[in-house]
Amino acid sequence: DQQVKQNSPSLSVQEGRISILNCDYTNSMFDYFLWYKKYPAEGPTFLISISSIKDKNEDGRFTVFLNKSAKHLSLHIVPSQPGDSAVYFCAAREETSGSRLTFGEGTQLTVNP
Amino acid sequence: EAGVAQSPRYKIIEKRQSVAFWCNPISGHATLYWYQQILGQGPKLLIQFQNNGVVDDSQLPKDRFSAERLKGVDSTLKIQPAKLEDSAVYLCASSRGGGAFFQPQHFGDGTRLSIL
Repeated sequence: DQQVKQNSPSLSVQEGRISILNCDYTNSMFDYFLWYKKYPAEGPTFLISISSIKDKNEDGRFTVFLNKSAKHLSLHIVPSQPGDSAVYFCAAREETSGSRLTFGEGTQLTVNP
Repeated sequence: EAGVAQSPRYKIIEKRQSVAFWCNPISGHATLYWYQQILGQGPKLLIQFQNNGVVDDSQLPKDRFSAERLKGVDSTLKIQPAKLEDSAVYLCASSRGGGAFFQPQHFGDGTRLSIL
């Protein structure tokens, strides 16, 4: 049972434009959502998170939006830069599970100069 | 601050052999996690420690996988005997743990295990 899904394996955008990465979930008990970025041969790096009581969180060029009714979240990167090219993982935590994270499959973002 | 340290970075073994991975978390982080990431998938939690106690090992294949964190700092993950399907990247992560506020997990660079 895939509780967190990233339906787009890859996304390609032009430098300076907006990148939108999407994530859907099925478990209504998730209370925190996170985005991680991963470069080849490196571990995932924490990017930004959002609590389920909020619908938006912003940090510089990165904004995460949460739509609880649709069980959908998205990560917006504006403006996109070539250095943003990486695999992006969506993850979610269920409070009753302690701090266990459930990850999506990842989306490969390529930002073209 | 120094990040999560893992070794070795790469390991190649034959099936039915044993292998061990080592992790040193970020200083002061009470919670330590081991994840398995198979190619094309997201990381999957194997085991979680709070200090030197196991909090969650529900997804650890206990017939072949074991892990310990004896002094509440470093941790080792062992596979014995290895199977072909164990080929993956093994990631260690840590977080401050406890407290009233959610703390994100910080990952090491992982050990890439190949089973021949």
